[in-house]
Amino acid sequence: EPEVTQTPSHQVTQMGQEVILRCVPISNHLYFYWYRQILGQKVEFLVSFYNNEISEKSEIFDDQFSVERPDGSNFTLKIRSTKLEDSAMYFCASSEARDGRYFGPGTRLTVT
Amino acid sequence: AQRVTQPEKLLSVFKGAPVELKCNYSYSGSPELFWYVQYSRQRLQLLLRHISRESIKGFTADLNKGETSFHLKKPFAQEEDSAMYYCALLSGSARQLTFGSGTQLTVLP
Repeated sequence: EPEVTQTPSHQVTQMGQEVILRCVPISNHLYFYWYRQILGQKVEFLVSFYNNEISEKSEIFDDQFSVERPDGSNFTLKIRSTKLEDSAMYFCASSEARDGRYFGPGTRLTVT
Repeated sequence: AQRVTQPEKLLSVFKGAPVELKCNYSYSGSPELFWYVQYSRQRLQLLLRHISRESIKGFTADLNKGETSFHLKKPFAQEEDSAMYYCALLSGSARQLTFGSGTQLTVLP
């Protein structure tokens, strides 16, 4: 069964550095998403992406964040000038239509 | 605004006992509800959705609009059911998925 994949599984970075989290959605899916889960907290929506543009974003998704689909398969989340509070598990998801999401395994981001 | 409430952070039951994980939602429109499961160190997996009225791994969930609930049930819990369970609500024209805070289910031998 096709799955969403994410790399890396764990990223450690210093405060102020930029990170790029990568995702390969399921190939026939058209909608892509990023979610975040801070340790011990609920899964939070960051952004949705469709037709090569952001379709919806939460208030968490400020100018520090950006998303891109640089080619036909990858979907990336860039976090500029990381802060300690950006430490979290970041989940990519995709869906064929705008219904149930299929999630990747997540990237654990640790900002030191 | 939409909200999903899972009142139990932790739930323990013995193997073979019935289990019910509670989920209540708040949404003014017509809700679409899901249950996701996350086994230890694995990804969030879609367990079931209310519109398909299916039973997956013995779990069922019925949408009760009067009580605004979508509780997840299984008549006989198994040890392999131990996991984190999240209720989620799909809402609005943007089809945003809002998660509850999750319930950690532990099935004891």
